[in-house]
Amino acid sequence: NAGVTQTPKFQVLKTGQSMTLQCAQDMNHEYMSWYRQDPGMGLRLIHYSVGAGITDQGEVPNGYNVSRSTTEDFPLRLLSAAPSQTSVYFCASSRQGASTNEKLFFGSGTQLSVL
Amino acid sequence: AQSVTQPDIHITVSEGASLELRCNYSYGATPYLFWYVQSPGQGLQLLLKYFSGDTLVQGIKGFEAEFKRSQSSFNLRKPSVHWSDAAEYFCAVGRGGGGADGLTFGKGTHLIIQP
Repeated sequence: NAGVTQTPKFQVLKTGQSMTLQCAQDMNHEYMSWYRQDPGMGLRLIHYSVGAGITDQGEVPNGYNVSRSTTEDFPLRLLSAAPSQTSVYFCASSRQGASTNEKLFFGSGTQLSVL
Repeated sequence: AQSVTQPDIHITVSEGASLELRCNYSYGATPYLFWYVQSPGQGLQLLLKYFSGDTLVQGIKGFEAEFKRSQSSFNLRKPSVHWSDAAEYFCAVGRGGGGADGLTFGKGTHLIIQP
């Protein structure tokens, strides 16, 4: 079982560059989400989706775009990277919303550095 | 808005000793509470969760947590730790009270196991 797969695992960008972090799950989960983890800050929700075609903002959405064209995939786009976006990014999924009685499955993370 | 406080940034415990990690939350209604563990370079794994009912919750790997409404606490315990328990531990509260808008995490407690 692959679970939640994130690519790439590591990425270095220059300020102003754009890129897409990929997230795919093979568990037919309706709910998918993106978090960022910064030292001493815990995890903070960026965007989430409750199903294909439906997305919404989390706690720290500025500078990030998402779309959900299929159940399996939930890419996170950085349109113009900034040093403040240096972080470890985690994708997570569950059958339903994260605060319901469903286990949240996490990917192994993407470590992003913006120079 | 809800919040989670983990007062201890680092905790050092001898192998075989008991463990208690503290978590305090702020939330207006009945909270959905979680403990996750993160091993180095990995994503997060759910240890246990509380939604309602019995205030003592059993989880995986021999962990348990007790919900105390009067103290707004959800402390994690283990009677005897193993070297493999060394990791980062996160307490979290559901943002939407049953909705889909994700979890609010504490900043984490880094557990160190002494031989």
